[in-house]
Amino acid sequence: DAKTTQPNSMESNEEEPVHLPCNHSTISGTDYIHWYRQLPSQGPEYVIHGLTSNVNNRMASLAIAEDRKSSTLILHRATLRDAAVYYCILRAPNRDNYGQNFVFGPGTRLSVLP
Amino acid sequence: NAGVTQTPKFQVLKTGQSMTLQCAQDMNHEYMSWYRQDPGMGLRLIHYSVGAGITDQGEVPNGYNVSRSTTEDFPLRLLSAAPSQTSVYFCASSRLAQEQFFGPGTRLTVL
Repeated sequence: DAKTTQPNSMESNEEEPVHLPCNHSTISGTDYIHWYRQLPSQGPEYVIHGLTSNVNNRMASLAIAEDRKSSTLILHRATLRDAAVYYCILRAPNRDNYGQNFVFGPGTRLSVLP
Repeated sequence: NAGVTQTPKFQVLKTGQSMTLQCAQDMNHEYMSWYRQDPGMGLRLIHYSVGAGITDQGEVPNGYNVSRSTTEDFPLRLLSAAPSQTSVYFCASSRLAQEQFFGPGTRLTVL
């Protein structure tokens, strides 16, 4: 079972910021929070990941709650090319029961309106 | 650095035929996995490996075999293809808890 919950779908206007939420209330102290996205007819691609502190890269920002039970992926200016399914998953840095690290939930389908 | 490569890109099989989907990575990643994605659905884990010689089942392993004789290669074998195995198959690799790299996928149709 996926250990994260996300809204099924969200909508945004082009060039506006988008905040995609993810709840992971059972996260352990060593789990990393990963975000991936899947554009139509393509394989998933990595977006960003973090452990405790907020993270920024060229694609997005990741805001992690202080208790780590939720996180938010922030796209600062949505473009039409950002329309995709966004997945939030947890990855544990140990080999035990590592199969859980590969489980993707249904994700959030983001629509971007021109 | 080619990343994760998958062959073939497209394949059509008849029911009962067998075949092997190839996956290779050149990043020296310990972890590799196979997913299937049916139309309009999310990814489902078939098998995964945490290192050469070590494999384990995921959510939907029935009808598939894997082996990991080298770090680079992780082939997925369909033993006797069925129409229910029509899907897009993705292979991925990563280091422990780090970014997962996905291949371009193999579109498989079983008639």
